[in-house]
Amino acid sequence: GAGVSQSPSNKVTEKGKDVELRCDPISGHTALYWYRQSLGQGLEFLIYFQGNSAPDKSGLPSDRFSAERTGGSVSTLTIQRTQQEDSAVYLCASSLDSPGIGHTIYFGEGSWLTVV
Amino acid sequence: SQQGEEDPQALSIQEGENATMNCSYKTSINNLQWYRQNSGRGLVHLILIRSNEREKHSGRLRVTLDTSKKSSSLLITASRAADTASYFCATVSQGGSEKLVFGKGTKLTVNP
Repeated sequence: GAGVSQSPSNKVTEKGKDVELRCDPISGHTALYWYRQSLGQGLEFLIYFQGNSAPDKSGLPSDRFSAERTGGSVSTLTIQRTQQEDSAVYLCASSLDSPGIGHTIYFGEGSWLTVV
Repeated sequence: SQQGEEDPQALSIQEGENATMNCSYKTSINNLQWYRQNSGRGLVHLILIRSNEREKHSGRLRVTLDTSKKSSSLLITASRAADTASYFCATVSQGGSEKLVFGKGTKLTVNP
């Protein structure tokens, strides 16, 4: 498709299980972002990729969170040993290049994670 | 930590009225962007204003930027019920990571 695609759109998991969230950015976009949004809250930055490297992973909340990007395209966000406080919408976004030089970013519809 | 802080947190107006939302930020920026979010899902880009610009228009949207006060405002004129959404400002800091940092948003309700 033409937009950023995320899967799954909804995921319910038991506390302690691992989850993987997938993001397919817009073709040709070099920059890719993961954000987290709890109910009624703002967007919390998690990690930023430029190509396959992550120059800024300062937002990952703990070592249970990791992300990778392969082939400069698809990215996977992995949460190990999920906790109830991990419940949120995880939003992926991509841009042609850096937003610092004026590129806008395009968001997917998000993956809603519920940890029970 | 949040870079931008929107004000007010919530705004309720009648259709046809204008809505003004403000954003303050802390560091020097390259540009500031406004986004809209419906129903807690994906955000949609509305408008970008560069640090050397003071005002920008797009349809019923008007954005101003005051770098001396580190603030921006988004004005929606002649609001419609369909404008009901949350609005976020986002910035990229100069000299730092290229990450786009969002504020907490203003929830706008336009009553028909």
